[in-house]
Amino acid sequence: AQSVTQPDIHITVSEGASLELRCNYSYGATPYLFWYVQSPGQGLQLLLKYFSGDTLVQGIKGFEAEFKRSQSSFNLRKPSVHWSDAAEYFCAVGTSGGSYIPTFGRGTSLIVHP
Amino acid sequence: DADVTQTPRNRITKTGKRIMLECSQTKGHDRMYWYRQDPGLGLRLIYYSFDVKDINKGEISDGYSVSRQAQAKFSLSLESAIPNQTALYFCATSDWETQYFGPGTRLLVL
Repeated sequence: AQSVTQPDIHITVSEGASLELRCNYSYGATPYLFWYVQSPGQGLQLLLKYFSGDTLVQGIKGFEAEFKRSQSSFNLRKPSVHWSDAAEYFCAVGTSGGSYIPTFGRGTSLIVHP
Repeated sequence: DADVTQTPRNRITKTGKRIMLECSQTKGHDRMYWYRQDPGLGLRLIYYSFDVKDINKGEISDGYSVSRQAQAKFSLSLESAIPNQTALYFCATSDWETQYFGPGTRLLVL
């Protein structure tokens, strides 16, 4: 079975600073990988996804993520954080065959200081 | 209009009461899911359905039941609510790989 680890429970950055949120997965084959964002009081919104091909994936709101098979990682990055990026971020991994049921990490809470 | 809607958005109930959470989608997806979210635990799968005649238990199905009334509707029931079922509940649909979430139902069991 697949699993996801988000090592950081909370991350604090200053507005305008760069951001990297870590995600490590465990899965024997090529995974499907996702990042979702949950703003306060809202549901989960898909930021970006990786299925195959180019390992650097561009998403919405200026986010990108890079799939590194050798490190089993799919870290989320943004070059300049805005106050509105303050939210909970979830990484998820899905299987590439059979029944598709994604597994979610526990989330990283992003705090943005002015 | 939202693609995935959940009703109610907020609910307070008492221990032992039966409660139903409803989910509707207009995306035309066959696959639907119910999750609960607790602080620090992420999303945990309660039940999922790959079509109207298919219902499957997730990792935390005890104390819950579901009904897939149509392709577009998937309801979650708590037969006898208990306080540790206080949580944020999400419904989701998927085409194959990508899930789309509703806004959530915040449930408080007293």
